[in-house]
Amino acid sequence: KQEVTQIPAALSVPEGENLVLNCSFTDSAIYNLQWFRQDPGKGLTSLLLIQSSQREQTSGRLNASLDKSSGRSTLYIAASQPGDSATYLCAVRRGPFQGGSEKLVFGKGTKLTVNP
Amino acid sequence: EPEVTQTPSHQVTQMGQEVILRCVPISNHLYFYWYRQILGQKVEFLVSFYNNEISEKSEIFDDQFSVERPDGSNFTLKIRSTKLEDSAMYFCASKPRTDSYEQYFGPGTRLTVT
Repeated sequence: KQEVTQIPAALSVPEGENLVLNCSFTDSAIYNLQWFRQDPGKGLTSLLLIQSSQREQTSGRLNASLDKSSGRSTLYIAASQPGDSATYLCAVRRGPFQGGSEKLVFGKGTKLTVNP
Repeated sequence: EPEVTQTPSHQVTQMGQEVILRCVPISNHLYFYWYRQILGQKVEFLVSFYNNEISEKSEIFDDQFSVERPDGSNFTLKIRSTKLEDSAMYFCASKPRTDSYEQYFGPGTRLTVT
């Protein structure tokens, strides 16, 4: 059974700092990995999706990497801003050729606070 | 840009009552999902739906739950007799086709059972 763990559970940094959020998963037979942002009481905003054949994806100040063999992904946020304050969720999905399903398996998230 | 929409944004109901949560997926999407998130917990998969039938469901999705696509636009989740532990945020998601990678999530419905 796939388990997704995110460390740390919470992180507080001063504005302008570069930071890394970590995600690990127990079953390396994944199809893709997705990073989401969730603001308090709100829905899930997709940030980046990495296919299992890819090593990284970039969008603006965000860079996500994937090391499937070791079961790890990182989300790098450059020059953090107070508006980046939110909970960041990682989710993985098995593939159709791995006997997998469509469902996403989520981590519990890292709550990020960027202080002005 | 097309979005998944959900109504209501917040539903309060009494224990034992039936509730229907509604979702309008993106118009050309074919695959539909419900997830839930109990406060402070992980987002959990409930059910996936394709071609007018359930393709997968989790252990959470017991006989109290049902899903339906009553017309060409809506996708609903019904809870027949709500329990206190059904209080959660419920997210609908959709994706267009088999080979598409990403599920697009709606804003969620917060269900409070009293």
